Amino acid sequence: KQEVTQIPAALSVPEGENLVLNCSFTDSAIYNLQWFRQDPGKGLTSLLLIQSSQREQTSGRLNASLDKSSGRSTLYIAASQPGDSATYLCAVKVGRDDKIIFGKGTRLHILP
Amino acid sequence: DVKVTQSSRYLVKRTGEKVFLECVQDMDHENMFWYRQDPGLGLRLIYFSYDVKMKEKGDIPEGYSVSREKKERFSLILESASTNQTSMYLCASSLSGAVRTEAFFGQGTRLTVV
Repeated sequence: KQEVTQIPAALSVPEGENLVLNCSFTDSAIYNLQWFRQDPGKGLTSLLLIQSSQREQTSGRLNASLDKSSGRSTLYIAASQPGDSATYLCAVKVGRDDKIIFGKGTRLHILP
Repeated sequence: DVKVTQSSRYLVKRTGEKVFLECVQDMDHENMFWYRQDPGLGLRLIYFSYDVKMKEKGDIPEGYSVSREKKERFSLILESASTNQTSMYLCASSLSGAVRTEAFFGQGTRLTVV
């Protein structure tokens, strides 16, 4: 059974720092991996999608990498800002049955 | 823009009531999902549908049922609401079997059962 783990569960960093969020998954048979952002009480907003054949994707200050063989992905946020404070979730689309499995998220707080 | 729309942002229902949560997507996606999200437990899959009238149980289907009579609409039904079903409910949709496509989420329904 696919399991997705995110470490750390919570993170506080001063504004302006670069930071890395980690995601690991147990079964490498995935279609893709997606990073989401969730603000308190809201739905999920898609940030980046990495296909199973890709190594990384970039959008603005965000860069996501994927190492399928080792079951790992990282989300790199450059020059963090207070507006980046949110919960970040990673999810994998499972190849065999199209299900999407989530990690529990990393709650990020950027200190002004 | 892809849109996944959930019928209510907030709902308050009484124990024992039958509750319907509705979700509509406008991108002709085959797959639709219902999750619940609870502190410390993350998002857990309740039910999944990969086509009209087709459904599959997720990790926590007990106490829930679903209906998908039309491709764009996926309903979650709480047959007899209980207080332990108080939660945030999230609906999502995606294309079937495609590597490149994202999952899109609705804004969530915060359900309180009293």
